Amino acid sequence: KNEVEQSPQNLTAQEGEFITINCSYSVGISALHWLQQHPGGGIVSLFMLSSGKKKHGRLIATINIQEKHSSLHITASHPRDSAVYICAVRFPWGGNQFYFGTGTSLTVIP
Amino acid sequence: GAGVSQSPSNKVTEKGKDVELRCDPISGHTALYWYRQRLGQGLEFLIYFQGNSAPDKSGLPSDRFSAERTGESVSTLTIQRTQQEDSAVYLCASSRPGNYEQYFGPGTRLTVT
Repeated sequence: KNEVEQSPQNLTAQEGEFITINCSYSVGISALHWLQQHPGGGIVSLFMLSSGKKKHGRLIATINIQEKHSSLHITASHPRDSAVYICAVRFPWGGNQFYFGTGTSLTVIP
Repeated sequence: GAGVSQSPSNKVTEKGKDVELRCDPISGHTALYWYRQRLGQGLEFLIYFQGNSAPDKSGLPSDRFSAERTGESVSTLTIQRTQQEDSAVYLCASSRPGNYEQYFGPGTRLTVT
């Protein structure tokens, strides 16, 4: 069983819509990483967080430690946001590994 | 500055051959990770290097896989006697001291025929 669950698996949105991607995990973590993988395969780091909320441009990431849940929000979505969004967590007991969700494939239609 | 680079970008090899994949991390990044991503699947951790410490090899799927890193620079991932199930994109990432945020290379797409 994957210890990191993402939802939804696939998401299609109209340009301009507000998007939320969810990540939940089974036990307490030391860090959570949101990544973006474009169709060409390149992976870009979006956020690294362990508490609270971070914002960068139209992207917002939040984490609720008690509920073991993080969300990635995209405001005013654009077709160039189309990508796979990946959540990865680092558990205190997990050594140096990051455990990855299976990703959310987002398509934004003009 | 330069990002993480990997070579080759694509490699096609025959079953049973050995392959060597290279990763050049960002200068000053002491941590280096190797991952594998099979088609349509998530990232799988393979191995982690941190400075001069012993590497964490817990993700290597078999003894056909090995990796080396010289100090805090280049790393090579070697797959011996390749099998078709080794076909995947192999990704390398590095991070700064005391910071878990990873910077990924473009990957090497390995196809075993």
